[in-house]
Amino acid sequence: ETGVTQTPRHLVMGMTNKKSLKCEQHLGHNAMYWYKQSAKKPLELMFVYNFKEQTENNSVPSRFSPECPNSSHLFLHLHTLQPEDSALYLCASSQDLQETLTDTQYFGPGTRLTVL
Amino acid sequence: ILNVEQSPQSLHVQEGDSTNFTCSFPSSNFYALHWYRWETAKSPEALFVMTLNGDEKKKGRISATLNTKEGYSYLYIKGSQPEDSATYLCALQANQAGTALIFGKGTTLSVSS
Repeated sequence: ETGVTQTPRHLVMGMTNKKSLKCEQHLGHNAMYWYKQSAKKPLELMFVYNFKEQTENNSVPSRFSPECPNSSHLFLHLHTLQPEDSALYLCASSQDLQETLTDTQYFGPGTRLTVL
Repeated sequence: ILNVEQSPQSLHVQEGDSTNFTCSFPSSNFYALHWYRWETAKSPEALFVMTLNGDEKKKGRISATLNTKEGYSYLYIKGSQPEDSATYLCALQANQAGTALIFGKGTTLSVSS
């Protein structure tokens, strides 16, 4: 166990649904990340939060909306998704982005999302 | 756009074989290189963080080397075991502290007993 949990592990949704992915870390970290992995592609960074503030949005469509209410929790709100958004969504955390020299990230197991 | 390349894409070996794979990255953007091990249905697990040219790290039967001048890192597994079957990811941390990781597509290793 890495200390990062994600729920749900699997999600099937229609294009008109609204759903949320949840990530929780028990490591006392201050930085949290959302990644997307589509088939045959590398992990793609979506969003970065550091001390609850969003520091990076990697040109992600607005149908993906992140929320970081505190340093331990990260959500990804989904609405009007497309079938091509079907992928594995991984959450990760690291100590913080300001003081550590190297950014070892600890990952959750991911949510497998299927959009019908 | 920075590219991290890994080769081979997949590899199948017999138990007891030793193997190695490559991660290539743009040397001019190097700050640190990370290796992760990702078993199916589990979380990616950090193996090594490497920062210095000529660095060599070891964890059990797995070791890694780094050449920042030419922009590559090798991961070696000595005496592969079925439990080594996983996808091995490398990720570049570019330019400075606090930057996000850029991942390669990974090398998927399958070890038969």
